[in-house]
Amino acid sequence: QVQLVQSGAEVKKPGSSVMVSCKASGGTFTNYAITWVRQAPGQGPEWMGRIIPMLDVVNYAQKFKGRLTITTDESTSTVYLELSSLRSEDTAVYYCARDPGVITADAIDIWGRGTMVTVSS
Amino acid sequence: DIQMTQSPSSLSASVGDTVTITCRASQDIGNWLAWYQQKPEKAPKSLIYAVSSLQSGVPSRFSGSGSGTDFTLTISSLQPEDFATYYCQHYNTYPFTFGPGTKVDIK
Repeated sequence: QVQLVQSGAEVKKPGSSVMVSCKASGGTFTNYAITWVRQAPGQGPEWMGRIIPMLDVVNYAQKFKGRLTITTDESTSTVYLELSSLRSEDTAVYYCARDPGVITADAIDIWGRGTMVTVSS
Repeated sequence: DIQMTQSPSSLSASVGDTVTITCRASQDIGNWLAWYQQKPEKAPKSLIYAVSSLQSGVPSRFSGSGSGTDFTLTISSLQPEDFATYYCQHYNTYPFTFGPGTKVDIK
């Protein structure tokens, strides 16, 4: 069974950038898409963007365009989220999640455990 | 963007009760709707996709229905492990927004 293993918690200064990784353990991303979702303390999930590694196609939520970059390294089955110009409102748990949709989108079936990112001066 | 709303925002129920949660989309999303369960300090768990199909391993007391803009999640014979927050999400067109959640707690 594929698991999504995320990198560890981060503490960042306002204005800096953070990179979070998500590695497929026990499988690959070949026939899947990977979505990034974040959840601020006490809030619901917020969809950030989605990458289809085999097609190298990425879609971002308009809210994050210009600050968010999602990339993939297929050789290591790892997807990366990089968020720049961090502000306190970016403090949240960041989840990667898999869905089996490639040609058409599909629902998430597997979630990573999440990575806490704290933005504080 | 398509907006998702849920009702109620919270409810109290007892073990054995049947619970129904409603999710509404601001425009027609066809059958592109999923439901997730989340417990405190845990990642969401996928329950249902395509309105009514159960993810692998999800108990049959969970069921989903609806189409277009109006959807429901029903939990029959509520179990102690079902007390959690439930979110709907559409995956019709980007961005794939989530509903605000419905918290189910113990009466």
